[in-house]
Amino acid sequence: GQNIDQPTEMTATEGAIVQINCTYQTSGFNGLFWYQQHAGEAPTFLSYNVLDGLEEKGRFSSFLSRSKGYSYLLLKELQMKDSASYLCAVRDSNYQLIWGAGTKLIIKP
Amino acid sequence: DTAVSQTPKYLVTQMGNDKSIKCEQNLGHDTMYWYKQDSKKFLKIMFSYNNKELIINETVPNRFSPKSPDKAHLNLHINSLELGDSAVYFCASSEGQGDQETQYFGPGTRLLVL
Repeated sequence: GQNIDQPTEMTATEGAIVQINCTYQTSGFNGLFWYQQHAGEAPTFLSYNVLDGLEEKGRFSSFLSRSKGYSYLLLKELQMKDSASYLCAVRDSNYQLIWGAGTKLIIKP
Repeated sequence: DTAVSQTPKYLVTQMGNDKSIKCEQNLGHDTMYWYKQDSKKFLKIMFSYNNKELIINETVPNRFSPKSPDKAHLNLHINSLELGDSAVYFCASSEGQGDQETQYFGPGTRLLVL
């Protein structure tokens, strides 16, 4: 079967750095996405990785290792508005997106 | 200038009723989707559709049917609503199904079946 694993919940302090991990087992791989979802709102696109390595976009970076079936989302200089759920999604060989259950990130002052 | 819009935002109805949720995108995208997000916040794909092909998640009951009058619209019709259908339903669209397509989500429709 296809599976995406993420921690259910994480807590971090304002101004700090946090790393949210995602491991996946899918039938084929055609890219990995990270989305942010604030409570009561729709998911919004954060990043996309298809090749191994680190993609940096402002305070957010995403890393991919295809051989390990592993990705992480790194958030720097945390702000209170970063409190949200972070969803990892992998596109399989049929170009279908398989979604993780999301990691709820709580930021404390 | 909402990119992906859904109506209604909230829907409260009785078990056994039939209801529809409408979705429209003004991005000129070729592919649209319906997702169900349950109380555990797990996003599950229900349908993906472009003007050529409808892909149905085989776990979706046939009480759910997508209807696309044109490329910019993908409505979701639900027959004989059940308590377990209570969830948030998101519509999304993407430019295609090729590389690096990003999905843009609508605001969601919160369905409560009593």
